[in-house]
Amino acid sequence: QSVLTQPPSASGTPGQRVTISCSGSRSNIGSKTVNWYQQLPGTAPKLLIYSNNQRPSGVPARFSGSKSGTSASLAISGLQSEDEADYYCAAWDDSLNGHVVFGGGTKLTVL
Amino acid sequence: QVQLQESGPGLVKPSQTLSLTCTVSGGSISSGSYYWSWIRQPAGKGLEWIGRIYTSGSTNYNPSLKSRVTISVDTSKNQFSLKLRSVTAADTALYYCARDQWSGSSHNPTSYYFDYWGQGTLVTVSS
Repeated sequence: QSVLTQPPSASGTPGQRVTISCSGSRSNIGSKTVNWYQQLPGTAPKLLIYSNNQRPSGVPARFSGSKSGTSASLAISGLQSEDEADYYCAAWDDSLNGHVVFGGGTKLTVL
Repeated sequence: QVQLQESGPGLVKPSQTLSLTCTVSGGSISSGSYYWSWIRQPAGKGLEWIGRIYTSGSTNYNPSLKSRVTISVDTSKNQFSLKLRSVTAADTALYYCARDQWSGSSHNPTSYYFDYWGQGTLVTVSS
């Protein structure tokens, strides 16, 4: 069972806006920034959003992140077929001498 | 452009030690204030952070694996390594190495994320 909670699946049609939630606690999301990773089928995860809402160079602006309290969200607007992937949230957790925690992942299907 | 490449045996017997190495290219492992991590992913499942190392040798481990894990670094070879002892079938997974970015305190960072990943290497635990 993952420390951060994500819905196992999400879906949308091309052009639609979808959001994926990530719920944690005071020791992780509540006091640290949240990151999102995209894992396309058969590939390594790729950093998508860092520090709650920052996009690395090359990540389209239609990907955005937000955080409020102990929850965070990833939003994808103008959904495209190539966005079909697994999405993971992650954060530092300051309990037990500190460690990184991940969400269980959300499989996004583009219908 | 930093690149990471995992290497090591793809098959390990139960109760033995899993050993992997990550070779960093495109930059010195010692340059900048980076930690270097190992992350694993069982087939069809999510990501699990194993632990991290700084080039000084300072380490942190996932509390659930701490008793079995050792991460070390060899700056002369631009490599860092993972040893996981007493493996079982539950340790079968795709193992990734990654470069860590952080801000704030190194022991209690405000922001912590992985900006470069290796392609991963599959390790199967089986007799």
